[in-house]
Amino acid sequence: AQSVTQPDIHITVSEGASLELRCNYSYGATPYLFWYVQSPGQGLQLLLKYFSGDTLVQGIKGFEAEFKRSQSSFNLRKPSVHWSDAAEYLCDVVTAAGARSYQLTFGKGTKLSVIP
Amino acid sequence: DARVTQTPRHKVTEMGQEVTMRCQPILGHNTVFWYRQTMMQGLELLAYFRNRAPLDDSGMPKDRFSAEMPDATLATLKIQPSEPRDSAVYFCASGLNRGRGGTEAFFGQGTRLTVV
Repeated sequence: AQSVTQPDIHITVSEGASLELRCNYSYGATPYLFWYVQSPGQGLQLLLKYFSGDTLVQGIKGFEAEFKRSQSSFNLRKPSVHWSDAAEYLCDVVTAAGARSYQLTFGKGTKLSVIP
Repeated sequence: DARVTQTPRHKVTEMGQEVTMRCQPILGHNTVFWYRQTMMQGLELLAYFRNRAPLDDSGMPKDRFSAEMPDATLATLKIQPSEPRDSAVYFCASGLNRGRGGTEAFFGQGTRLTVV
């Protein structure tokens, strides 16, 4: 069975500092990979996604993520964090479960706090 | 602007009551997902539909939960009877799947359910 691990439950960084949120998955083949952000009281917003091709993907709000097949990782990064980035970040892994179906697995999320 | 609409936003109910949560997907989307989010379990996929047909509902407790799409503009998730352990935030998401690759999902703001 596939699994998604976000090792960090809660991260606090200072505004302006760089950020990296980790996501590791276990699956035999290359899955489709997504990062979402959830602000308090809001639904999920897609930050970026990886299907194939260039392993460094750019997303909205200045975020990027790099797919590393050898490490089964899809870590999210931002060079300079803004106070408005404080939120919950969820990694999502999608794999084919059959000819016409997909299996979606989310990590448990990493809460980001930003110190002014 | 197009968005997924969920109603109600909050619901508090006594155990044993029937709960119905509604979702209006984005017009033109052919895939609808239902998720449940709790502190302990994170985000769990309950069920998803493609072209109104249920493709996977293995994540849903069958004895009390049911999900339907009476038409393309409405998806419902029902719990009968409700129990305190059902307290969670329930998210609906919709997306357009063109037959290959992952589906970019757009989330509603969720229904916060409290069963007392």
